[in-house]
Amino acid sequence: QQQVKQSPQSLIVQKGGISIINCAYENTAFDYFPWYQQFPGKGPALLIAIRPDVSEKKEGRFTISFNKSAKQFSLHIMDSQPGDSATYFCAARGIFGNEKLTFGTGTRLTIIP
Amino acid sequence: KAGVTQTPRYLIKTRGQQVTLSCSPISGHRSVSWYQQTPGQGLQFLFEYFSETQRNKGNFPGRFSGRQFSNSRSEMNVSTLELGDSALYLCASSSGPSGSQHFGDGTRLSIL
Repeated sequence: QQQVKQSPQSLIVQKGGISIINCAYENTAFDYFPWYQQFPGKGPALLIAIRPDVSEKKEGRFTISFNKSAKQFSLHIMDSQPGDSATYFCAARGIFGNEKLTFGTGTRLTIIP
Repeated sequence: KAGVTQTPRYLIKTRGQQVTLSCSPISGHRSVSWYQQTPGQGLQFLFEYFSETQRNKGNFPGRFSGRQFSNSRSEMNVSTLELGDSALYLCASSSGPSGSQHFGDGTRLSIL
């Protein structure tokens, strides 16, 4: 049972453009939503995270938008650079005391010059 | 501050063997979680330990087990290896409940 759905599976964006990756969840008990960036041969690295009490969080060129009523959240990468080319995973975690992360299926992002 | 360290980085085993993977969390982190990453199934949760106690377990067979030591270091063991166990095994640590999880670079396990 896939509880976090991620789209698109792959994305090609021109340098300087905006990359947008979307996720939707089903379990209303989720209360923490991180995004991870993974390069080949490396483990996932925490990029940015949000809790459902805010609708948007920005850190540098990365922004999470969160829609609690629609149970959707998205990652926006502004001014996308070739170094942003990686696989991105959204995830969700349950209530306090439950460390399990449920991951989306990943988006392979390629930034072209 | 050193990150999460996983050893070994690569491992080749044959069917029926068993394997032990090791994870050293970030200093001060008491929670360690394990995940399996495969192209077909993506990232799947195996189990989580906090203060030497398993608090949560994913939907994997009993061949997959783990433990955590008093210094928060953790090991996972897979017995009677199957071809389908070939995967990248990732360890993540956090300071505790509601803390951010930080991953190591994983152990790539290949079963021949």
